[in-house]
Amino acid sequence: KAGVTQTPRYLIKTRGQQVTLSCSPISGHRSVSWYQQTPGQGLQFLFEYFSETQRNKGNFPGRFSGRQFSNSRSEMNVSTLELGDSALYLCASRPGERGGLGTQYFGPGTRLLVL
Amino acid sequence: GNSVTQMEGPVTLSEEAFLTINCTYTATGYPSLFWYVQYPGEGLQLLLKATKADDKGSNKGFEATYRKETTSFHLEKGSVQVSDSAVYFCALIANTGNQFYFGTGTSLTVIP
Repeated sequence: KAGVTQTPRYLIKTRGQQVTLSCSPISGHRSVSWYQQTPGQGLQFLFEYFSETQRNKGNFPGRFSGRQFSNSRSEMNVSTLELGDSALYLCASRPGERGGLGTQYFGPGTRLLVL
Repeated sequence: GNSVTQMEGPVTLSEEAFLTINCTYTATGYPSLFWYVQYPGEGLQLLLKATKADDKGSNKGFEATYRKETTSFHLEKGSVQVSDSAVYFCALIANTGNQFYFGTGTSLTVIP
């Protein structure tokens, strides 16, 4: 089975621009979660989508949004980029059942640099 | 609420030394517990997991035992290698929930 894939792997943007990141989950997985990882803040949960609906949301401003398509692929959008948005954005998928039955598997990440 | 606390890093060990990375948790219900590893420039990989009390997860020489009485899930390895240098994350998901909670990560460097 193919793993979680994320595109693009690297991205450079300037302040004020917007960006869209894409994540394709493992086949059959219905849950996709997004995380932001920075040296200062560590791994922070952005949101989770399950069957095209946002199921959980972290503590990020409304500039961060996402969506999930019927094939479970997910996109994350960041509008009006700030320097502090420079980070590694990780996507993770799992089957979607509640609890630990659905282990989460991560993609390689998209490294975003905002200049 | 749910949370995970890991020992602060960075940790530096010589090759073949014994490794312990402490992890304690707070959770409602009976969580499942995980250790993930992140090698430089990569995403997180599942290292091992345990889904109920007294379960021992193991993989690649690493072990962790789910201790409900001490709410802990410490990661151990008897003899580390240079290739084990990475950042290790402890995580949980409550059995009634659907969100993962991660610790802050512990950076391990193994020197020859």
